[in-house]
Amino acid sequence: VIWMTQSPSLLSASTGDRVTISCRMSQGISSYLAWYQQKPGKAPELLIYAASTLQSGVPSRFSGSGSGTDFTLTISCLQSEDFATYYCQQYYSFPWTFGQGTKVEIK
Amino acid sequence: EVQLVESGGGLVQPGRSLRLSCAASGFTFDDYAMHWVRQAPGKGLEWVSGISWNSGSIGYADSVKGRFTISRDNAKNSLYLQMNSLRAEDTALYYCAKDKSSVGATEYYFDYWGQGTLVTVSS
Repeated sequence: VIWMTQSPSLLSASTGDRVTISCRMSQGISSYLAWYQQKPGKAPELLIYAASTLQSGVPSRFSGSGSGTDFTLTISCLQSEDFATYYCQQYYSFPWTFGQGTKVEIK
Repeated sequence: EVQLVESGGGLVQPGRSLRLSCAASGFTFDDYAMHWVRQAPGKGLEWVSGISWNSGSIGYADSVKGRFTISRDNAKNSLYLQMNSLRAEDTALYYCAKDKSSVGATEYYFDYWGQGTLVTVSS
């Protein structure tokens, strides 16, 4: 099983801030990583796959980077609609696992 | 527009069974693998099970293996999850999710999700 460490668990930020969320793997997964956004009471939405490919329709202020064991989700200029919980997910090795989530809240 | 609508959740006693359904529309259902992902109240996401486009490849999380059975009916554009021997720890919102895969492949990440159906296991 690949263990995932997502950090921080809670991030307080203001509109306009640049924020980064980290996801670290217990072993290398090449670029088999996805990022999701989940708002309260809603289903998750795919933001990024293959570590850095933006899903269609996702604003360009979102970006992903990394390969191997260390990955980052960056929001370049935080908007009000970005306050949500973010999850990473590896799809390199069964079982497919998610990080524990990072809640981005208003500072 | 892709739509995934889950149904079949509810309150059930430990040890009993429940069958979840997911009605799909807005895409060619039999071209894509499909999955169930669950989220316990206030917790994170857990992949439960997945099935390839032709039901030829099926997988389960260890936590449900031997108790849950995934299936699909391509003629009805529907995905199912038969859940037997339910436990309190199975209490969660169950999401139906479409695989991002191109036709005939399986990528194991999810580009469309339903709104979920809540399963509560309690006496």
